[in-house]
Amino acid sequence: DIQMTQSPSSLSASVGDRVTITCRASQSISSYLNWYQQKPGKAPKLLIYAASSLQSGVPSRFSGGGSGTDFTLTISSLQPEDFANYYCQQSYRTPYTFGQGTKLEIK
Amino acid sequence: QVQLQESGPGLVKPSEALSLTCTVSGGSISSYYWSWIRQPPEKGLEWIGFIYYSGSTNYNPSLKSRVTISLDTSKNQFSLRLSSVTAADTAVYYCARLGRPSVVTPYYFDYWGQGTLVTVSS
Repeated sequence: DIQMTQSPSSLSASVGDRVTITCRASQSISSYLNWYQQKPGKAPKLLIYAASSLQSGVPSRFSGGGSGTDFTLTISSLQPEDFANYYCQQSYRTPYTFGQGTKLEIK
Repeated sequence: QVQLQESGPGLVKPSEALSLTCTVSGGSISSYYWSWIRQPPEKGLEWIGFIYYSGSTNYNPSLKSRVTISLDTSKNQFSLRLSSVTAADTAVYYCARLGRPSVVTPYYFDYWGQGTLVTVSS
């Protein structure tokens, strides 16, 4: 299986901050990397697909980058509604696997 | 707008089978891959498997011996059966669609159900 490792596991930040979450794959996955946001009690929501493509309806303050084994999710200016859990997921090979998650909290 | 809704028992006894159904509305189940994903309380996400509208399946090897995913196109539904459950199978179970905007784009989970909590307990 392809292991996905996110860092940090948790992050405290303030409204208006720029934050970056990292995801590393245990082998090259080209650009087969997606990012999801999950709020408590809700299903995950797709933010970024194919490493850097913004899903329709997602604010432009979200951006993704990387290829191969190292990927990033950046939020350019944190808004109150962005405090949530974030997961990366590889769709390069089954079994599809997710990172362990990053909890973004208000400082 | 495609919507997915999980249904099924919220409590299952150890050693019995867990059965859930996902009803798809706002679009046809024909075409696309349809998937089950689960999330134990306070933990991360685990992909269980998917089924194509043709009926072909792909399961996570960690669960393969216990999982069956099936499809009923006449009802626009697909289902999950997980046998011989234990407390470790307690989780929120999500159904989701695997989509992609073009054949050269990687797949992603674009539509999700709200999730249903299944507790394994006697």
